[in-house]
Amino acid sequence: NAGVTQTPKFQVLKTGQSMTLQCAQDMNHEYMSWYRQDPGMGLRLIHYSVGAGITDQGEVPNGYNVSRSTTEDFPLRLLSAAPSQTSVYFCASSRDPRYEQYFGPGTRLTVT
Amino acid sequence: RKEVEQDPGPFNVPEGATVAFNCTYSNSASQSFFWYRQDCRKEPKLLMSVYSSGNEDGRFTAQLNRASQYISLLIRDSKLSDSATYLCVGLGGSGNTGKLIFGQGTTLQVKP
Repeated sequence: NAGVTQTPKFQVLKTGQSMTLQCAQDMNHEYMSWYRQDPGMGLRLIHYSVGAGITDQGEVPNGYNVSRSTTEDFPLRLLSAAPSQTSVYFCASSRDPRYEQYFGPGTRLTVT
Repeated sequence: RKEVEQDPGPFNVPEGATVAFNCTYSNSASQSFFWYRQDCRKEPKLLMSVYSSGNEDGRFTAQLNRASQYISLLIRDSKLSDSATYLCVGLGGSGNTGKLIFGQGTTLQVKP
């Protein structure tokens, strides 16, 4: 099993551009989530999904959209990138939201 | 007050030492806790789950004290490879959202 995979590993965007961060898992996990990690802030939840077709907002959802059309994939879309979205983005998955989550390798995003 | 608080350290210890980290949490409804390890610029990796009073895995022991609302991680016989940041993580709210609440992390440096 590859576990949780994320692409791209690095990305540089200009302010106002849009892009999609990809996340996939091959563990048949129902629960998937997106976090961002900023220095001094710890990891914060952006959006999560408890199954295909179901998504909900986390702690810092503004500026991001998600969809969950399949169990395996959970893409994160930046609608109009802003410098405040410069961060490291981690996708995670779990068999159940009450149990441990497994993280992907992350995407390092810089918005200039 | 932060929901999950840790002493950021750094803890500098010699190889073979025993080191303990403490973590306090404010949400008494939290049912599950986790210790993750994060190496520089990498994703958090699950070290241990704590669902009841404690858990042990080799050189690592975690204990949960619900009355005092703290979790501890004990590392025995420290190795150079244990050098990393250790994240104390609680499951927020009712647990059905899967929202992980991360502490700031405690940095451990094991020296020869």
